[in-house]
Amino acid sequence: QQPVQSPQAVILREGEDAVINCSSSKALYSVHWYRQKHGEAPVFLMILLKGGEQKGHDKISASFNEKKQQSSLYLTASQLSYSGTYFCGTEMHSGGSNYKLTFGKGTLLTVNP
Amino acid sequence: KAGVTQTPRYLIKTRGQQVTLSCSPISGHRSVSWYQQTPGQGLQFLFEYFSETQRNKGNFPGRFSGRQFSNSRSEMNVSTLELGDSALYLCASSFATSQETQYFGPGTRLLVL
Repeated sequence: QQPVQSPQAVILREGEDAVINCSSSKALYSVHWYRQKHGEAPVFLMILLKGGEQKGHDKISASFNEKKQQSSLYLTASQLSYSGTYFCGTEMHSGGSNYKLTFGKGTLLTVNP
Repeated sequence: KAGVTQTPRYLIKTRGQQVTLSCSPISGHRSVSWYQQTPGQGLQFLFEYFSETQRNKGNFPGRFSGRQFSNSRSEMNVSTLELGDSALYLCASSFATSQETQYFGPGTRLLVL
């Protein structure tokens, strides 16, 4: 049930764009995106809800294709501060009124000057 | 508001011992989730508690257990430690149980010798 992220790693130069993909084999209730810098806790970036509502960041955007159970995170005009590991979390119904959030293995993004 | 706090931050144990980790959520948050993070595996979901009830459980052996108190503070216990239990254990709190931002604590780094 762990979502699959791609690519596993990406190296950019400052100003370049990147796309990180996240896919699941099960129907999704929401998709969460987090970034973790080395030695720090993951930090919330964005949540995409079933039905199309999106909450998050103004410099980073994302899409959620409910039919394909896929989400993509778009980082445009990357900055050095974008470096870190990006995790997608997929929320699925786990029985009754419960929903479970499961994270992928992460995508390591490195932005060089 | 104070963030999520975890104690202790670092811990060294030997095989066969048991350990208890503590997590204090953000004030007002009633949901606490626990994750194990190891290199290359991302964030592996352990369990989630809401209002003192376990709502979800990951695929970990019964040696891993947890509980939540009436003040929403949570503890995680690992009995009969194995070398493979060495990891960063993160807890995250949220206001509700689904479609909500999770706020992560700094983690407890456990080393099993």
